[in-house]
Amino acid sequence: EVQLVESGGGLVKPGGSLRLSCAASGFTFSGYTMNWVRLAPGKGLEWVSSISSRLNYLYYADSVKGRFTISRDNAKNSLYLQMNSLRADDTAVYYCARVMVRGVIGAFDIWGQGTMVTVSS
Amino acid sequence: SYVLTQPPSVSVAPGQTARITCGENNIGSKSVHWYQQKPGQAPVLVVYDDSDRPSGIPERFSGSNSGNTATLTISRVEAGDEADYYCQVWDSSSDHWVFGGGTKLTVL
Repeated sequence: EVQLVESGGGLVKPGGSLRLSCAASGFTFSGYTMNWVRLAPGKGLEWVSSISSRLNYLYYADSVKGRFTISRDNAKNSLYLQMNSLRADDTAVYYCARVMVRGVIGAFDIWGQGTMVTVSS
Repeated sequence: SYVLTQPPSVSVAPGQTARITCGENNIGSKSVHWYQQKPGQAPVLVVYDDSDRPSGIPERFSGSNSGNTATLTISRVEAGDEADYYCQVWDSSSDHWVFGGGTKLTVL
């Protein structure tokens, strides 16, 4: 079964850091571009970051650029999001998602169940 | 920056047709993807590349894209279709993915 499972969410104080992980299974992880998308309470979906299969393309939303770092370990079938200098408006459910084609740009066909990040003092 | 405009809400009676729009200047030149998200669940891809359906998505879901408007059409709406729907495009000028603000579909 094709599956993505996020972990690492929790409660963190403003200015703090957190590292999210996404474990992939059931497909050749190394062949796909991966993404992070978040859903803040009462808001809509917001794309956060993308990383290509060979790590040669990295993209970030303006709202997180310079604070968040996306990475992946193809040997471990894992995607990561290092989040630093966290702010209250980073509070959201964070999803990892796979691009459906073996390229950089395409629809997100597989999503994890999400992990909640709460930034509060 | 690219901004996708969706109506906040659409209401339709069971068995009728729901149309959810996604607007931006010249969106017809881009590939539009649509997602369904129910409360507490992950988003689900329902239409990709304007009008293609992933396997497992009912034929009742269809899409079109021309000019300044992309449209997700849900025929013979069922109670289970009640959800938030989002459109998405890739903005090549900024190398950013953009989601629309979302439309809450209510089945009366």
